[in-house]
Amino acid sequence: DVKVTQSSRYLVKRTGEKVFLECVQDMDHENMFWYRQDPGLGLRLIYFSYDVKMKEKGDIPEGYSVSREKKERFSLILESASTNQTSMYLCASTLGSYGYTFGSGTRLTVV
Amino acid sequence: DAKTTQPTSMDCAEGRAANLPCNHSTISGNEYVYWYRQIHSQGPQYIIHGLKNNETNEMASLIITEDRKSSTLILPHATLRDTAVYYCIVRDYNYGQNFVFGPGTRLSVLP
Repeated sequence: DVKVTQSSRYLVKRTGEKVFLECVQDMDHENMFWYRQDPGLGLRLIYFSYDVKMKEKGDIPEGYSVSREKKERFSLILESASTNQTSMYLCASTLGSYGYTFGSGTRLTVV
Repeated sequence: DAKTTQPTSMDCAEGRAANLPCNHSTISGNEYVYWYRQIHSQGPQYIIHGLKNNETNEMASLIITEDRKSSTLILPHATLRDTAVYYCIVRDYNYGQNFVFGPGTRLSVLP
């Protein structure tokens, strides 16, 4: 089975900190995605990538950046964390047009 | 915006079949119907997908109407562990279109 691993299950960071959320997949998938999920708002796409060193903005990219230096790893970066970035962050990967495989999520709290 | 409509919530007795409906009246010829579920505090999990024929796997069956404007996900013998939010998504098979998650249906399996 494809595995998508997010490095941390829970994180607590301070306002203004630079935060890195890491995601690794083990099945050579081309496409990787970062979502955030908030009560009442559902899953919202932040950034995605179709190949190494490629990135595309999703619906809510403000305050975030991403890095994809290797095919298996897609990092989400919060340049200066703010309290409104407290959320569940979900990474997913897929090969071509097949369905997503999601990681278990990282619950980030910014205090 | 999500291209599907689903009931907000449903209940099902343990051991009985759970039938989750989804309307996708604007679906186009290239779009597949995907179903995911999300158990509390976990990432969404792929269940099944189909284009026009009915599909079955070890988790569920997917029944798509002949006009493709609606579908039903069937969990044949629901268990307490099937309690989750179920998402119905339509997505173009062509490369480049992302999944858009709506609010889904919250299924509660009752003992």
